Amino acid sequence: DAKTTQPPSMDCAEGRAANLPCNHSTISGNEYVYWYRQIHSQGPQYIIHGLKNNETNEMASLIITEDRKSSTLILPHATLRDTAVYYCIVRATDSWGKLQFGAGTQVVVTP
Amino acid sequence: DTGVSQNPRHKITKRGQNVTFRCDPISEHNRLYWYRQTLGQGPEFLTYFQNEAQLEKSRLLSDRFSAERPKGSFSTLEIQRTEQGDSAMYLCATRTGHSTDTQYFGPGTRLTVL
Repeated sequence: DAKTTQPPSMDCAEGRAANLPCNHSTISGNEYVYWYRQIHSQGPQYIIHGLKNNETNEMASLIITEDRKSSTLILPHATLRDTAVYYCIVRATDSWGKLQFGAGTQVVVTP
Repeated sequence: DTGVSQNPRHKITKRGQNVTFRCDPISEHNRLYWYRQTLGQGPEFLTYFQNEAQLEKSRLLSDRFSAERPKGSFSTLEIQRTEQGDSAMYLCATRTGHSTDTQYFGPGTRLTVL
């Protein structure tokens, strides 16, 4: 599975949109982009995933560039409860499904 | 609460003791994964079950580690002769068999080896 690169940390003001970038320049055609987050001392929580089209759900939006080499997770109205480590992961659909986590981005939402 | 449960939530043990953790998956999930997470790092894959068959093991899973999933339901992870380096959060995740289905993680078991 392709590797991903994320900034180690970012701050966001409460109520503002948080835009989390991820680079996956070696992504293959059968690899999906997944986002998870992990609030301190809890298990990772699934947020969203996509292949090449932009996706939106009740938690976030995922914007994937046309060449699929990067993506952005958007939290539209950040709250203090969104403070967490956010992981961007690429995974092939024909793999056993294991997830390869990097170090992620520590997002701190401030009042 | 994702529906994946893990017990115990916390375990403190002395070096050299054996410990066993349990994961109960969401009932219709036939794929089960164990991960280990040390402080400041992302989770690392340990092993994968499809039903009762253990199909993949990471090199991180030394011979002191053993995992089972009898009858394809709950799973156990045992660590024998624990070492201080085994101190970590042990996470279980499960999913259905659909190729793009997501993994749902349990709350983890935090192991501290003194």
